[in-house]
Amino acid sequence: NAGVTQTPKFQVLKTGQSMTLQCAQDMNHEYMSWYRQDPGMGLRLIHYSVGAGITDQGEVPNGYNVSRSTTEDFPLRLLSAAPSQTSVYFCASSSGGGSYEQYFGPGTRLTVT
Amino acid sequence: AQRVTQPEKLLSVFKGAPVELKCNYSYSGSPELFWYVQYSRQRLQLLLRHISRESIKGFTADLNKGETSFHLKKPFAQEEDSAMYYCALREGAQKLVFGQGTRLTINP
Repeated sequence: NAGVTQTPKFQVLKTGQSMTLQCAQDMNHEYMSWYRQDPGMGLRLIHYSVGAGITDQGEVPNGYNVSRSTTEDFPLRLLSAAPSQTSVYFCASSSGGGSYEQYFGPGTRLTVT
Repeated sequence: AQRVTQPEKLLSVFKGAPVELKCNYSYSGSPELFWYVQYSRQRLQLLLRHISRESIKGFTADLNKGETSFHLKKPFAQEEDSAMYYCALREGAQKLVFGQGTRLTINP
């Protein structure tokens, strides 16, 4: 099993550009989420999904869109990149039920100039 | 709103010394708390959860509801313990609220 994979590993965008961060998991997990990691602020939840076709907002959803058309994939879209979105982005998944352990991807480091 | 606070951004101790990473939470219910760790160039991973009452890599954490704390402790620090540590609180079915993180450095 590859676990949770994310692409790309690094990305530089200009202000106003759009892009999609990819996330996939091969563990058949129902729950997937996106976090951003910023110094001194920990990990903050952007969006999450409890299953295919179901998404909801987290703590910091503005400027980001998500969709969940399959169990495996959970892409994060930046609609119009801003310097404030410079961060490291982590995707995570968990199986649900009684297990609340989240499995994290390796992260995507995004810089917006 | 549920919150998790880790008051120390940085913590530096000598090898062999005891380690305590602090975590305080606010939650209007029965909390479920976790410690996650991120070693250099590795993924964030679960270290331990309070319901398991287990010791992982020599670390333990006790939930103190009176003090709303879930401090992470280890009696004798090792160099390989150097990492970023996050305390997290379960909110809802599968959502986690993370603290700000503490970077632990173990000096030889």
